[in-house]
Amino acid sequence: NAGVTQTPKFQVLKTGQSMTLQCAQDMNHEYMSWYRQDPGMGLRLIHYSVGAGITDQGEVPNGYNVSRSTTEDFPLRLLSAAPSQTSVYFCASSYWGADPQETQYFGPGTRLLVL
Amino acid sequence: LAKTTQPISMDSYEGQEVNITCSHNNIATNDYITWYQQFPSQGPRFIIQGYKTKVTNEVASLFIPADRKSSTLSLPRVSLSDTAVYYCLVGGPGGADGLTFGKGTHLIIQP
Repeated sequence: NAGVTQTPKFQVLKTGQSMTLQCAQDMNHEYMSWYRQDPGMGLRLIHYSVGAGITDQGEVPNGYNVSRSTTEDFPLRLLSAAPSQTSVYFCASSYWGADPQETQYFGPGTRLLVL
Repeated sequence: LAKTTQPISMDSYEGQEVNITCSHNNIATNDYITWYQQFPSQGPRFIIQGYKTKVTNEVASLFIPADRKSSTLSLPRVSLSDTAVYYCLVGGPGGADGLTFGKGTHLIIQP
């Protein structure tokens, strides 16, 4: 198992550019989510999905879009990058079951710099 | 979602036992308590989870009093490699908003 993989590892964008951060997992997890982490801060939830075709907003969704066409993939799109979106982005996945808190598995992160 | 409060930072020395306490006064009946560890430039990783009383695994112990309004992560005989940020979470993917991470506790282990 590769676990949760994220690409790219590092990206530099200019203000106004768009891009897609890729996230994939091979554990057949129903639940996937995106977080951003700013320096000295905890993780803030951007969007999450409980299965293919189902997505929902987290704490800080503005400026980001997601889709979930397959169980394995959960890409995050930046529509028009802004310097305020400079951050480290983590993707996570877990089972979605009766247990109210399944263990989350995190990817290695994508460092994004918006100039 | 239940809000958690934990110290911003803690210091200790190699070989010591470290206890990090987290407050979660409005924990719900169905909520579990989970702790994650994060090293610099890495994603968080699961350490331990519990519902009540005491849970122990090969890495840590988790103590939860009867009222469940707080919990204590105990790391036995820490080493330099235990320097990391530790997050206490209550609730999870079963809820409508997913997991909520606070700022965590930055644990620094000195020689």
